[in-house]
Amino acid sequence: EAGVAQSPRYKIIEKRQSVAFWCNPISGHATLYWYQQILGQGPKLLIQFQNNGVVDDSQLPKDRFSAERLKGVDSTLKIQPAKLEDSAVYLCASSLRNSRVGSTEAFFGQGTRLTVV
Amino acid sequence: GEDVEQSLFLSVREGDSSVINCTYTDSSSTYLYWYKQEPGAGLQLLTYIFSNMDMKQDQRLTVLLNKKDKHLSLRIADTQTGDSAIYFCAESKSGGYNKLIFGAGTRLAVHP
Repeated sequence: EAGVAQSPRYKIIEKRQSVAFWCNPISGHATLYWYQQILGQGPKLLIQFQNNGVVDDSQLPKDRFSAERLKGVDSTLKIQPAKLEDSAVYLCASSLRNSRVGSTEAFFGQGTRLTVV
Repeated sequence: GEDVEQSLFLSVREGDSSVINCTYTDSSSTYLYWYKQEPGAGLQLLTYIFSNMDMKQDQRLTVLLNKKDKHLSLRIADTQTGDSAIYFCAESKSGGYNKLIFGAGTRLAVHP
Protein backbone atom coordinates (compact mmCIF):
# COMPACT_ATOMS: atom_id res chain seq x y z
CA GLU A 1 0.00 0.00 0.00
CA ALA A 2 1.46 3.35 -1.03
CA GLY A 3 1.80 5.89 1.74
CA VAL A 4 0.91 9.57 1.89
CA ALA A 5 2.92 11.43 -0.74
CA GLN A 6 4.00 15.04 -0.30
CA SER A 7 5.98 17.40 -2.48
CA PRO A 8 8.27 19.17 -2.49
CA ARG A 9 10.40 17.81 0.35
CA TYR A 10 12.18 21.10 0.87
CA LYS A 11 11.45 24.69 -0.07
CA ILE A 12 13.31 27.92 0.62
CA ILE A 13 11.59 31.20 -0.18
CA GLU A 14 11.94 34.84 0.72
CA LYS A 15 9.40 36.51 2.97
CA ARG A 16 6.39 37.91 1.15
CA GLN A 17 6.71 35.28 -1.57
CA SER A 18 4.09 32.59 -2.19
CA VAL A 19 4.46 28.84 -1.86
CA ALA A 20 2.27 25.79 -2.41
CA PHE A 21 2.50 22.28 -1.06
CA TRP A 22 0.89 19.20 -2.52
CA CYS A 23 -0.41 16.06 -0.83
CA ASN A 24 -1.70 12.80 -2.23
CA PRO A 25 -3.35 10.76 0.54
CA ILE A 26 -3.67 7.01 0.74
CA SER A 27 -6.26 5.76 -1.73
CA GLY A 28 -9.72 5.58 -0.20
CA HIS A 29 -8.95 7.71 2.83
CA ALA A 30 -11.78 10.15 3.38
CA THR A 31 -10.08 12.34 5.97
CA LEU A 32 -7.10 14.54 5.14
CA TYR A 33 -5.18 16.73 7.57
CA TRP A 34 -2.59 19.46 7.20
CA TYR A 35 -0.37 20.02 10.23
CA GLN A 36 2.28 22.62 10.88
CA GLN A 37 5.24 21.45 12.97
CA ILE A 38 7.55 24.21 14.15
CA LEU A 39 10.99 23.07 15.28
CA GLY A 40 10.84 21.69 18.82
CA GLN A 41 7.05 21.58 18.93
CA GLY A 42 4.35 19.03 18.28
CA PRO A 43 2.25 19.14 15.12
CA LYS A 44 -0.51 21.73 15.14
CA LEU A 45 -3.61 21.07 13.07
CA LEU A 46 -4.16 23.70 10.41
CA ILE A 47 -7.08 22.22 8.50
CA GLN A 48 -9.02 18.97 8.31
CA PHE A 49 -11.04 17.77 5.33
CA GLN A 50 -13.69 15.08 5.25
CA ASN A 51 -13.84 14.13 1.58
CA ASN A 52 -13.71 17.55 -0.11
CA GLY A 53 -15.39 19.52 2.67
CA VAL A 54 -13.63 21.43 5.45
CA VAL A 55 -14.58 20.20 8.93
CA ASP A 56 -12.03 22.15 10.99
CA ASP A 57 -9.95 25.16 10.01
CA SER A 58 -10.06 26.97 13.34
CA GLN A 59 -6.27 27.34 13.54
CA LEU A 60 -5.63 28.21 9.90
CA PRO A 61 -4.38 31.81 9.48
CA LYS A 62 -6.91 32.56 6.80
CA ASP A 63 -5.43 35.92 5.86
CA ARG A 64 -2.45 34.13 4.32
CA PHE A 65 -3.09 30.38 4.28
CA SER A 66 -5.53 28.56 2.04
CA ALA A 67 -6.15 24.92 1.27
CA GLU A 68 -8.32 22.95 -1.05
CA ARG A 69 -9.09 19.34 -1.72
CA LEU A 70 -10.60 18.99 -5.12
CA LYS A 71 -12.63 15.85 -5.84
CA GLY A 72 -11.92 14.61 -2.33
CA VAL A 73 -8.48 13.24 -3.21
CA ASP A 74 -5.34 15.38 -3.59
CA SER A 75 -4.91 18.55 -1.60
CA THR A 76 -2.85 21.71 -1.85
CA LEU A 77 -1.89 24.11 0.92
CA LYS A 78 -0.85 27.62 -0.07
CA ILE A 79 0.81 30.43 1.83
CA GLN A 80 0.60 33.91 0.36
CA PRO A 81 2.49 35.98 1.42
CA ALA A 82 4.90 34.02 3.60
CA LYS A 83 6.32 35.33 6.86
CA LEU A 84 9.49 34.33 8.68
CA GLU A 85 7.42 32.59 11.37
CA ASP A 86 5.93 30.25 8.75
CA SER A 87 9.23 28.35 8.69
CA ALA A 88 8.22 24.84 9.72
CA VAL A 89 7.58 21.34 8.47
CA TYR A 90 4.16 20.97 6.89
CA LEU A 91 2.80 17.49 7.39
CA CYS A 92 -0.06 15.94 5.51
CA ALA A 93 -1.89 12.96 6.95
CA SER A 94 -4.87 10.87 5.96
CA SER A 95 -7.13 8.42 7.72
CA LEU A 96 -9.82 5.94 6.85
CA ARG A 97 -12.32 6.81 9.52
CA ASN A 98 -13.78 3.66 11.04
CA SER A 99 -17.19 4.73 12.27
CA ARG A 100 -17.67 1.49 14.24
CA VAL A 101 -14.52 1.84 16.28
CA GLY A 102 -14.12 5.59 16.14
CA SER A 103 -10.36 5.53 16.37
CA THR A 104 -8.25 7.65 14.12
CA GLU A 105 -5.20 5.94 12.72
CA ALA A 106 -3.70 8.80 10.81
CA PHE A 107 -0.92 8.00 8.34
CA PHE A 108 1.59 10.80 7.85
CA GLY A 109 3.66 11.84 4.89
CA GLN A 110 7.33 12.79 5.25
CA GLY A 111 6.47 16.47 5.24
CA THR A 112 7.67 19.55 3.42
CA ARG A 113 10.32 21.57 5.22
CA LEU A 114 9.75 25.27 4.51
CA THR A 115 12.38 27.86 5.26
CA VAL A 116 11.41 31.51 4.90
CA VAL A 117 14.36 33.89 4.75
CA GLY B 1 -9.98 22.85 26.70
CA GLU B 2 -7.47 20.91 24.70
CA ASP B 3 -3.90 20.64 25.95
CA VAL B 4 -1.41 17.80 25.96
CA GLU B 5 1.84 18.05 27.91
CA GLN B 6 4.95 15.90 27.90
CA SER B 7 8.41 16.08 29.36
CA LEU B 8 10.86 17.13 26.66
CA PHE B 9 13.76 14.76 27.08
CA LEU B 10 14.57 11.27 28.37
CA SER B 11 17.90 9.48 28.34
CA VAL B 12 18.18 5.74 29.03
CA ARG B 13 20.79 3.04 28.79
CA GLU B 14 20.41 0.38 26.14
CA GLY B 15 18.54 -2.63 27.56
CA ASP B 16 16.78 -0.64 30.27
CA SER B 17 13.09 0.26 30.23
CA SER B 18 11.95 3.71 29.13
CA VAL B 19 8.85 5.39 30.49
CA ILE B 20 7.48 8.42 28.68
CA ASN B 21 4.73 10.36 30.38
CA CYS B 22 1.92 12.56 29.12
CA THR B 23 -0.90 14.52 30.70
CA TYR B 24 -3.98 15.81 28.97
CA THR B 25 -6.75 18.14 30.03
CA ASP B 26 -9.78 17.19 27.95
CA SER B 27 -11.74 14.66 29.98
CA SER B 28 -13.93 13.88 26.99
CA SER B 29 -10.97 12.47 25.07
CA THR B 30 -11.89 9.04 23.85
CA TYR B 31 -8.70 7.79 22.26
CA LEU B 32 -5.10 8.44 23.23
CA TYR B 33 -2.21 7.72 20.92
CA TRP B 34 1.51 7.36 20.88
CA TYR B 35 3.34 8.36 17.70
CA LYS B 36 7.04 8.01 16.92
CA GLN B 37 9.00 10.43 14.75
CA GLU B 38 12.48 9.61 13.51
CA PRO B 39 14.72 12.33 12.04
CA GLY B 40 13.47 13.58 8.69
CA ALA B 41 10.46 11.29 8.74
CA GLY B 42 6.76 11.68 9.27
CA LEU B 43 4.95 10.42 12.33
CA GLN B 44 4.33 6.72 12.76
CA LEU B 45 1.52 5.42 14.93
CA LEU B 46 2.92 3.06 17.59
CA THR B 47 -0.19 2.25 19.57
CA TYR B 48 -3.40 3.70 20.90
CA ILE B 49 -5.72 3.07 23.81
CA PHE B 50 -9.43 3.56 24.24
CA SER B 51 -10.39 5.61 27.27
CA ASN B 52 -12.29 2.78 28.95
CA MET B 53 -9.09 0.74 29.18
CA ASP B 54 -6.42 0.97 31.86
CA MET B 55 -3.65 -0.83 30.07
CA LYS B 56 -2.67 -2.10 26.67
CA GLN B 57 0.35 -4.23 25.86
CA ASP B 58 1.85 -4.75 22.44
CA GLN B 59 5.16 -6.65 22.38
CA ARG B 60 7.74 -4.33 24.02
CA LEU B 61 5.23 -1.50 24.44
CA THR B 62 2.94 -1.05 27.43
CA VAL B 63 0.47 1.83 27.63
CA LEU B 64 -0.99 2.79 30.98
CA LEU B 65 -3.95 5.15 31.29
CA ASN B 66 -5.07 6.83 34.49
CA LYS B 67 -8.26 8.52 33.41
CA LYS B 68 -8.90 10.07 36.82
CA ASP B 69 -5.56 11.91 36.74
CA LYS B 70 -5.63 12.31 32.91
CA HIS B 71 -2.22 10.68 32.76
CA LEU B 72 -0.91 8.46 30.00
CA SER B 73 2.40 6.65 29.87
CA LEU B 74 4.33 4.59 27.36
CA ARG B 75 6.77 1.99 28.61
CA ILE B 76 9.30 0.55 26.20
CA ALA B 77 10.93 -2.63 27.52
CA ASP B 78 14.51 -3.54 26.60
CA THR B 79 15.11 -0.19 24.93
CA GLN B 80 17.33 -0.36 21.85
CA THR B 81 19.29 2.31 19.99
CA GLY B 82 16.72 2.07 17.21
CA ASP B 83 14.14 3.38 19.66
CA SER B 84 15.90 6.76 19.73
CA ALA B 85 13.32 9.20 18.34
CA ILE B 86 10.74 11.76 19.40
CA TYR B 87 7.58 10.31 20.90
CA PHE B 88 4.33 12.25 20.68
CA CYS B 89 1.27 11.75 22.79
CA ALA B 90 -2.03 12.69 21.11
CA GLU B 91 -5.70 12.72 22.00
CA SER B 92 -8.93 12.66 20.05
CA LYS B 93 -12.64 12.41 20.70
CA SER B 94 -14.94 9.85 19.16
CA GLY B 95 -17.74 11.17 17.08
CA GLY B 96 -17.41 14.35 15.14
CA TYR B 97 -14.35 14.26 12.98
CA ASN B 98 -11.68 12.91 15.33
CA LYS B 99 -9.45 15.96 15.60
CA LEU B 100 -5.97 14.88 16.77
CA ILE B 101 -4.24 17.11 19.33
CA PHE B 102 -0.53 16.48 19.87
CA GLY B 103 1.85 17.18 22.71
CA ALA B 104 5.25 18.79 22.10
CA GLY B 105 7.01 15.43 22.04
CA THR B 106 9.59 13.67 24.22
CA ARG B 107 13.02 13.11 22.74
CA LEU B 108 14.29 9.67 23.76
CA ALA B 109 18.04 9.17 23.63
CA VAL B 110 19.35 5.63 24.07
CA HIS B 111 23.03 5.28 24.94
CA PRO B 112 25.24 2.18 25.26
